[in-house]
Amino acid sequence: DAGVTQSPTHLIKTRGQQVTLRCSPKSGHDTVSWYQQALGQGPQFIFQYYEEEERQRGNFPDRFSGHQFPNYSSELNVNALLLGDSALYLCASSHTPETGTSYEQYFGPGTRLTVT
Amino acid sequence: AQKITQTQPGMFVQEKEAVTLDCTYDTSDPSYGLFWYKQPSSGEMIFLIYQGSYDQQNATEGRYSLNFQKARKSANLVISASQLGDSAMYFCAMRVRGNQFYFGTGTSLTVIP
Repeated sequence: DAGVTQSPTHLIKTRGQQVTLRCSPKSGHDTVSWYQQALGQGPQFIFQYYEEEERQRGNFPDRFSGHQFPNYSSELNVNALLLGDSALYLCASSHTPETGTSYEQYFGPGTRLTVT
Repeated sequence: AQKITQTQPGMFVQEKEAVTLDCTYDTSDPSYGLFWYKQPSSGEMIFLIYQGSYDQQNATEGRYSLNFQKARKSANLVISASQLGDSAMYFCAMRVRGNQFYFGTGTSLTVIP
């Protein structure tokens, strides 16, 4: 049973460029959340996708956008990259039951983005 | 406002001893969940243990137990019989209504042989 996978593993971009990160959820999971983890910090919630729609959003600018596909995989897009966007980007998947409350979430290995 | 606080940036423990990692939280939601994750140097977040706000008993998972004190809004992680492989960053997290997760700043645990 494959866990959460993310690609690419590492990425180096220049300030002002755009980047797309990809995530495939664990089998049986339908909800994907994205987090930004700066060096020495805890993960910060970016947004969550369920049923191909953004369901929740953290305190991130519109430069951060996402998408969920019918197979539940997801993309995170960041436009007009800033030096401060350098971080580990973690994807987490979970299953949202009929009650609407998902419990544990499983994380992928992350994509380390460096903006120069 | 939702907040998770971990006040111990770094902790050291002797191999085979027990260690407690502190976590306090703040939320106005009556229903919430508390989690602990382990993050080795490889970067992947590993789920350790979960406690629901309405759970009467403290959660346990093998060598991990969660000391849940609702009135004090604390959810400390206890690791018994520490092993060298336990050396890692440990994050406390809270899930509130809407399935949004909030993480603390983490505690770096070093197990000494």
